Amino acid sequence: NAGVMQNPRHLVRRRGQEARLRCSPMKGHSHVYWYRQLPEEGLKFMVYLQKENIIDESGMPKERFSAEFPKEGPSILRIQQVVRGDSAAYFCASSPGQGGLQPQHFGDGTRLSIL
Amino acid sequence: DQQVKQNSPSLSVQEGRISILNCDYTNSMFDYFLWYKKYPAEGPTFLISISSIKDKNEDGRFTVFLNKSAKHLSLHIVPSQPGDSAVYFCAARSGGGSQGNLIFGKGTKLSVKP
Repeated sequence: NAGVMQNPRHLVRRRGQEARLRCSPMKGHSHVYWYRQLPEEGLKFMVYLQKENIIDESGMPKERFSAEFPKEGPSILRIQQVVRGDSAAYFCASSPGQGGLQPQHFGDGTRLSIL
Repeated sequence: DQQVKQNSPSLSVQEGRISILNCDYTNSMFDYFLWYKKYPAEGPTFLISISSIKDKNEDGRFTVFLNKSAKHLSLHIVPSQPGDSAVYFCAARSGGGSQGNLIFGKGTKLSVKP
């Protein structure tokens, strides 16, 4: 999984706090995707971003969750007022472009635990 | 409603034999299929993919077969090695428009016994 960098690897928060998850895509990649994985489940799409634009956020809960991919710096997935059900592994993926047969490459994820 | 299904949660194979992992899908708009391998505490690693216009793609020990009429694809690993032990995810993408996201199955845990 070299290339897509996620931090922190582990994040512990108490209920009601905010969680910020960061993702730096592979060099040369301008498309970023966030996925969430619950235990014993597959990865579920949350949001797809390009630089300064949200392309598709159909998989993201309408409240408490937001994502950005600024012109400079990493993509950020922000969860406000966390609840126990937010405990999961959050994976970021990147690709050079949306068209054509280009696989998404994943980071090692952030494991979020809510106390 | 699961659009990508991996009906076998686990599979055990002897080293040197063939591993066959199966995946079924329901959406005929999917145009691109991928297999990822995942070790614990790591992210998914891309293995192999296939376009919907093909029925086979091969890369070393890994071959993916696509049967569009049956909406079924499979991953063959031969010969299987102990290092192949991992969870394998099938994923699909809808073509066109702005939909770049992947839809994943729940995964199949492969154990290759020495």
